Amino acid sequence: DGGITQSPKYLFRKEGQNVTLSCEQNLNHDAMYWYRQDPGQGLRLIYYSQIVNDFQKGDIAEGYSVSREKKESFPLTVTSAQKNPTAFYLCASSPSGATSETQYFGPGTRLLVL
Amino acid sequence: AQSVTQLDSQVPVFEEAPVELRCNYSSSVSVYLFWYVQYPNQGLQLLLKYLSGSTLVKGINGFEAEFNKSQTSFHLRKPSVHISDTAEYFCAVSGAPGGYNKLIFGAGTRLAVHP
Repeated sequence: DGGITQSPKYLFRKEGQNVTLSCEQNLNHDAMYWYRQDPGQGLRLIYYSQIVNDFQKGDIAEGYSVSREKKESFPLTVTSAQKNPTAFYLCASSPSGATSETQYFGPGTRLLVL
Repeated sequence: AQSVTQLDSQVPVFEEAPVELRCNYSSSVSVYLFWYVQYPNQGLQLLLKYLSGSTLVKGINGFEAEFNKSQTSFHLRKPSVHISDTAEYFCAVSGAPGGYNKLIFGAGTRLAVHP
């Protein structure tokens, strides 16, 4: 079955630690996205990528970094500069990044700070 | 700038009753509108979307929504809900200048269906 996988399902971060969230898709989509979800605030865009080796900051990119070395993969690193990382992180993809396209979401990773 | 307002943070309803989840948006350009559903601890799944044409859009699981340009609304409706419809529902808009598929989400409406 085609889809998006995210791992791990739960992730714990210690103070000063960088952690990486995995996102893989086998939908052959060019565009991929990372969102952060906090209670009562909906989803906010962290980074997006429309093509391999290219990515752009979203609305809340500070304290996060990404890479897009392969079409299928778009990992997100939460750095120690992100002071409030506790949230639910969702990865999504769409065929080409056009504004009319449906975005397909993964199951999410919940990040907690120890 | 674009924005989305979901007017109710929580909507309790009894099983088999009708429900309407309200969504208003603001935008200076033509937009595309989406409703997504999120079940607990899961990702989002598309219910329906409006791109153009008929203002009444039918989606999965018996949901429908009506685009009203004059009132800048895109309310979601279902004539008879089931317990399994208990979830969080997000309205979203895209079409921002710049060309990429940036979705602006509302804060969500939690639908609780009671027996």
